[in-house]
Amino acid sequence: DIQMTQSPSSLSASVGDRVTITCRASQGIRNDLGWYQQKPGKAPKRLIYAASSLQSGVPSRFSGSGSGTEFTLTISSLQPEDFATYYCLQYNSDPYTFGQGTKLEIK
Amino acid sequence: EVQLVQSGGGLVQPGGSLRLSCAASGFTFNTYWMTWVRQAPGKGLEWVASVNPGGSEKYYVDSVKGRFTISRDNADNSLYLQMNSLRAEDTAVYYCARGISASHWGQGTLVTVSS
Repeated sequence: DIQMTQSPSSLSASVGDRVTITCRASQGIRNDLGWYQQKPGKAPKRLIYAASSLQSGVPSRFSGSGSGTEFTLTISSLQPEDFATYYCLQYNSDPYTFGQGTKLEIK
Repeated sequence: EVQLVQSGGGLVQPGGSLRLSCAASGFTFNTYWMTWVRQAPGKGLEWVASVNPGGSEKYYVDSVKGRFTISRDNADNSLYLQMNSLRAEDTAVYYCARGISASHWGQGTLVTVSS
């Protein structure tokens, strides 16, 4: 099984900050990776697919990069509505696996 | 607009069964893989199962193999998860999602396994 190691597990930041979240795969997954945002009590929302493609309707301050085993999600300038938990998902080979999540909190 | 509307959660005793449903609209259902994901209380997301557009290929996380069955009815634009031999550790909010990359999600339904 492919393990996804996501870091950090939590992060405190301020409005306007640039933040980066990383996911590392235990083996190569090409670019078969998505990033998801989840707010408390709500269903997750996909932000990025194929490692770097922006989901329609998602603000351009979100971007993804990487291929193979290392991937990053960057938020260029944090907005109040971005404080949430973020997950990566590898869908290269089953069982498909999520990272452990990164809780982004207001500093 | 893509919509996934879930139903069928609730309280069930250990060893019991439950069937979750997911009604899809706003897209050509029979051309997409479909997926179930769950989230235990206070925990992260866990992929549970996926099924191909025709219903012939199914993949499961090890912890539910032999107990859960994913299926679909393309004539009715519906996705199902039959859950048998339920355990306390199956307690979670269950989400259906479109595609193996989960582009769109249902609202979630809570399954509680407890005596």
